Amino acid sequence: ETGVTQTPRHLVMGMTNKKSLKCEQHLGHNAMYWYKQSAKKPLELMFVYSLEERVENNSVPSRFSPECPNSSHLFLHLHTLQPEDSALYLCASSPGTGTSAHNEQFFGPGTRLTVL
Amino acid sequence: GQQLNQSPQSMFIQEGEDVSMNCTSSSIFNTWLWYKQEPGEGPVLLIALYKAGELTSNGRLTAQFGITRKDSFLNISASIPSDVGIYFCAGQLGDDYGGSQGNLIFGKGTKLSVKP
Repeated sequence: ETGVTQTPRHLVMGMTNKKSLKCEQHLGHNAMYWYKQSAKKPLELMFVYSLEERVENNSVPSRFSPECPNSSHLFLHLHTLQPEDSALYLCASSPGTGTSAHNEQFFGPGTRLTVL
Repeated sequence: GQQLNQSPQSMFIQEGEDVSMNCTSSSIFNTWLWYKQEPGEGPVLLIALYKAGELTSNGRLTAQFGITRKDSFLNISASIPSDVGIYFCAGQLGDDYGGSQGNLIFGKGTKLSVKP
């Protein structure tokens, strides 16, 4: 248990569906992240939020839309996805400020997404 | 963008053997992190390194921050079956003031499997 939870753990959706992934961290951290993990590729950073403000958007297609209503919760809204978007989507959080450990990221278990 | 070269890509272990893996880069890093990911789970932070030459242990795991600041090593002593999984290195680039900048950059992982 890392203190970061994600729901759902598995999701199958059609290309015309709209769904949302949820992440919650119980660590009191200030920064939260979305990553995409595909087979045989390094983790791809998608979005970074610091103190609920988006500070990074790594050229992610607009069919992925993040939302951070407070420092403990992060959502990824999905619509009109493509089959190549099938992957494990990981949420992480880090302290975000202050000590040298500010960028130690703690990951949730991920949502395994399959787009048909 | 920046890349970390992690090797080996995969290896088989026999119980009791020592295991070594490393990450290298052409750029200087001021933070090195090592994670382990098991099937169906997110990466779990094992060891964090912040100073060149630093050697840190976590049980049977030992990681070193290379003296050139361009590499890091992870050793597992006396491996056991539950060591199987994918090990990732992650680094944060150094800035001009001795601190760290930017987001974590991840290697592609080293997959540890048990010898058949």
